[in-house]
Amino acid sequence: DTEVTQTPKHLVMGMTNKKSLKCEQHMGHRAMYWYKQKAKKPPELMFVYSYEKLSINESVPSRFSPECPNSSLLNLHLHALQPEDSALYLCASSRDRGRGSNSPLHFGNGTRLTVT
Amino acid sequence: SQELEQSPQSLIVQEGKNLTINCTSSKTLYGLYWYKQKYGEGLIFLMMLQKGGEEKSHEKITAKLDEKKQQSSLHITASQPSHAGIYLCGADGNYGQNFVFGPGTRLSVLP
Repeated sequence: DTEVTQTPKHLVMGMTNKKSLKCEQHMGHRAMYWYKQKAKKPPELMFVYSYEKLSINESVPSRFSPECPNSSLLNLHLHALQPEDSALYLCASSRDRGRGSNSPLHFGNGTRLTVT
Repeated sequence: SQELEQSPQSLIVQEGKNLTINCTSSKTLYGLYWYKQKYGEGLIFLMMLQKGGEEKSHEKITAKLDEKKQQSSLHITASQPSHAGIYLCGADGNYGQNFVFGPGTRLSVLP
């Protein structure tokens, strides 16, 4: 079992809907990440929060909006998505981040998102 | 930017056989991580290698990092159907860049 919990496991939404993905960890990690993974591809980084501050935004469209309410929680708010946004969305956390941190990422099981 | 390559792209082996997956970096690795992913699920952390020549084992899986810290191998001994999945190597980016993944190796183990 993973120590990073993601909800929901599956989500189907229309292009006009607003929904949120949630992620929670209680390992005391100070870095949290959102990744997007398409079929047969490695995960692609979307956002990184370090000490609850957004430190990396990989030019992700504004229809994706991250939020880090506290050090244990990470949300991804979705609005006006497109069918091509359908993918597995993975949350991860690590003790720290950056070169030399020696902090492996621990992943949740992901949310399978389908946009209709 | 740092890039990771993996070989082979996919692998089908008979149960009980040994196999090796390779990960090669274009630059010196400061931290190399191996992950396993089952279809549609999250990534499971297997091992982390930091020092040149380092070798780690967990159950029937052994990972090594070469002396130059630009290549890592993952070796599975006496493979089982439970080893099937996608194996990804990942590395801390150089010069403040983000964590990067290799493209993955898809392993199938036939009973």
